[in-house]
Amino acid sequence: AQSVTQLDSQVPVFEEAPVELRCNYSSSVSVYLFWYVQYPNQGLQLLLKYLSGSTLVKGINGFEAEFNKSQTSFHLRKPSVHISDTAEYFCAVKGSGGYQKVTFGIGTKLQVIP
Amino acid sequence: DGGITQSPKYLFRKEGQNVTLSCEQNLNHDAMYWYRQDPGQGLRLIYYSQIVNDFQKGDIAEGYSVSREKKESFPLTVTSAQKNPTAFYLCASSIQGRQNEQFFGPGTRLTVL
Repeated sequence: AQSVTQLDSQVPVFEEAPVELRCNYSSSVSVYLFWYVQYPNQGLQLLLKYLSGSTLVKGINGFEAEFNKSQTSFHLRKPSVHISDTAEYFCAVKGSGGYQKVTFGIGTKLQVIP
Repeated sequence: DGGITQSPKYLFRKEGQNVTLSCEQNLNHDAMYWYRQDPGQGLRLIYYSQIVNDFQKGDIAEGYSVSREKKESFPLTVTSAQKNPTAFYLCASSIQGRQNEQFFGPGTRLTVL
């Protein structure tokens, strides 16, 4: 079994300030990790993914995330947010053995304040 | 221009009626999925299909049915047995392979009156 915990349901941040959206996971097997973004009334779009190798992963729109195996975390960061980053962000985990479904977190709403 | 289409964007139905949500993809993906999204609950898997003419129940399949007669299409029927069908429904697809991410359609918002 696997699970994902997004620790903050909402994160307000001023424009041009840095932001970190937290994600912790649990799994009995090795995992692949993903961050998706969802704008209002739209589908999800992949921001970045960790499969293996370097623990620092860079994605689209200036976002990056760091995989920390000892802390079972995959936090998403951006050094300077823009108004257009206002959206909901989902962390997701997928086991690496056999067929494994994707488990999504409940989402974190990022509100960028002008 | 490859992608996933869902129709309609908004759907209204009376209680007790069955309704079918469309999902079509031209990405040549083998696997397709249906999720339900409710505020504060993230995405929950309803059904998935890894190959044509085969599909499996997800975590919340009760009150839903699917078919996979063509690789490109994976329609979802919300039946009258679904007790609380009002939600945002998302269809996704992926290339077979454990490391591959899912691509999502724009979603259908179903409201049952």
